[in-house]
Amino acid sequence: GQQLNQSPQSMFIQEGEDVSMNCTSSSIFNTWLWYKQDPGEGPVLLIALYKAGELTSNGRLTAQFGITRKDSFLNISASIPSDVGIYFCAGTLSYAGNMLTFGGGTRLMVKP
Amino acid sequence: ETGVTQTPRHLVMGMTNKKSLKCEQHLGHNAMYWYKQSAKKPLELMFVYSLEERVENNSVPSRFSPECPNSSHLFLHLHTLQPEDSALYLCASSQDLLAESSSTDTQYFGPGTRLTVL
Repeated sequence: GQQLNQSPQSMFIQEGEDVSMNCTSSSIFNTWLWYKQDPGEGPVLLIALYKAGELTSNGRLTAQFGITRKDSFLNISASIPSDVGIYFCAGTLSYAGNMLTFGGGTRLMVKP
Repeated sequence: ETGVTQTPRHLVMGMTNKKSLKCEQHLGHNAMYWYKQSAKKPLELMFVYSLEERVENNSVPSRFSPECPNSSHLFLHLHTLQPEDSALYLCASSQDLLAESSSTDTQYFGPGTRLTVL
């Protein structure tokens, strides 16, 4: 099936640092979504991107829909301990409606 | 609170038991999904329902049986499971299944049921 390559797989950073993670694919996506999952919980939508080149912010989070429609990145500025969790990118393909393809996740650990 | 609830949150069952997972969405959505999340694996889509009709079954073993009695409720019936079926089972919903390319529809997830099969 279609794959999203998400990197890095894990990050261990100091509180206050900025974080960047990205997803790439060989396929063109209509939508890019970024979710965060806390331990024992379901993924929660952070940012949704619907247009190529779109740059969207949600507080300290910023995400962009790549101009080629094959990639997206998520930046977190001035990380805090509650940013700890697993971040997933997901996308919808043009022929797949709302069916999501997920990346493998980036596990973020923040040291106070 | 995403508007999607799942019960129970935790379930331990033996391989010969029969149990059911329940999902309810309060968002007025027409499409619902079951996912399996195992350790160190991407989310695996299991079943998709649109307007109470099953539209996707991703080669899921028959020991998992979904049921969608109405657009707000989704069940996953479990019987004779194996230990490797232990995982977090997530339910999600979206307004519709087939979205226009310009749609801003997306999926919202429940908190999941942590299943352990002994």
